[in-house]
Amino acid sequence: KAGVTQTPRYLIKTRGQQVTLSCSPISGHRSVSWYQQTPGQGLQFLFEYFSETQRNKGNFPGRFSGRQFSNSRSEMNVSTLELGDSALYLCASTAGEAGELFFGEGSRLTVL
Amino acid sequence: KNEVEQSPQNLTAQEGEFITINCSYSVGISALHWLQQHPGGGIVSLFMLSSGKKKHGRLIATINIQEKHSSLHITASHPRDSAVYICAVYPYNTDKLIFGTGTRLQVFP
Repeated sequence: KAGVTQTPRYLIKTRGQQVTLSCSPISGHRSVSWYQQTPGQGLQFLFEYFSETQRNKGNFPGRFSGRQFSNSRSEMNVSTLELGDSALYLCASTAGEAGELFFGEGSRLTVL
Repeated sequence: KNEVEQSPQNLTAQEGEFITINCSYSVGISALHWLQQHPGGGIVSLFMLSSGKKKHGRLIATINIQEKHSSLHITASHPRDSAVYICAVYPYNTDKLIFGTGTRLQVFP
């Protein structure tokens, strides 16, 4: 069974640009959640999608958005990038509510 | 004050030692996760607990809901156990995980 796949693994952007990250969950998993990890703030919850609906959102500005497609694949977008958005972005999938989490390897974003 | 506190922040051990990492939280929860993160970033879920105790190989996780406390134990530690261990909780009625700051474990041969 394939794991959670995140693309791209590494990317470099400049301030003001926008970025889109992709997450393909484990087959059959309908819930996808996104997290930001920085040295200063640690791991923080961004948002969670289930069956194409955003069910929960963390305390991030509106520049951070996401969506989920009918095949459960999810994307997150960050617009007008700031230096502080440099982070490891992780997604995780789960089969159901508050279930076991399966994480992807992450997308490491560097904003210059 | 963080809603999820872990101790210690850093831990070094000799191979074979018994390790305990603690997690205390201040909110009512529906479940608690113990996660392992190796250098490079990938995170693996070790346990999900809502009560009692779970064991997997050399790893044991316990939770006391009344005391809002969980522990992760590693028996017969090995250098490959070197990683950051993170406690995370699901508060009631939400799937917004709240994370502890992690415990960095180094096991030396």
